Amino acid sequence: KNEVEQSPQNLTAQEGEFITINCSYSVGISALHWLQQHPGGGIVSLFMLSSGKKKHGRLIATINIQEKHSSLHITASHPRDSAVYICAVRKGDADKLIFGTGTRLQVFP
Amino acid sequence: GAGVSQSPSNKVTEKGKDVELRCDPISGHTALYWYRQSLGQGLEFLIYFQGNSAPDKSGLPSDRFSAERTGGSVSTLTIQRTQQEDSAVYLCASSLVAAYGYTFGSGTRLTVV
Repeated sequence: KNEVEQSPQNLTAQEGEFITINCSYSVGISALHWLQQHPGGGIVSLFMLSSGKKKHGRLIATINIQEKHSSLHITASHPRDSAVYICAVRKGDADKLIFGTGTRLQVFP
Repeated sequence: GAGVSQSPSNKVTEKGKDVELRCDPISGHTALYWYRQSLGQGLEFLIYFQGNSAPDKSGLPSDRFSAERTGGSVSTLTIQRTQQEDSAVYLCASSLVAAYGYTFGSGTRLTVV
């Protein structure tokens, strides 16, 4: 079983819909990251969380440390949000990241 | 530089040849990571450099893979005697301190034919 699990693996939505992507992990972590990867392959860091909730524009990320669960929400989704969203955790005191397998999001106009 | 720079962006090589992939991290970032993303797979850790400490090589898949970081800055990932299963996107990331987050490069797409 992977230490970081994401769901769903694939997600399609109509423009304007509210999107939720989930991440569960089974190890103790010092931080959780949400990353965005566009088709060209480059990765952009969206959020780094160790507790609570963060918001940036239409993106909201939450984490529940007790339940070992995080969610990424996209409000008023747009076709340009189409990408692979990756959850990654920093385990304990380690510096390297452990990645989920990603959620492929397609938003249609 | 302003971001993490990787070169080449694409590399096609014949099976059995050696390849070198380069990563130029953000100036001043002491930590540098190499990750690999095979087709349809998630990212996997390869190797991590932190300052002058011995690198964490625990993710390297075989002894055909090696990496070095000269002068605490630029890093080169070398794959010897490439195999088709080495085809993947190789991503580099750097950080000042892991607690502050990471910056990723755009990756090198390696295709072994």
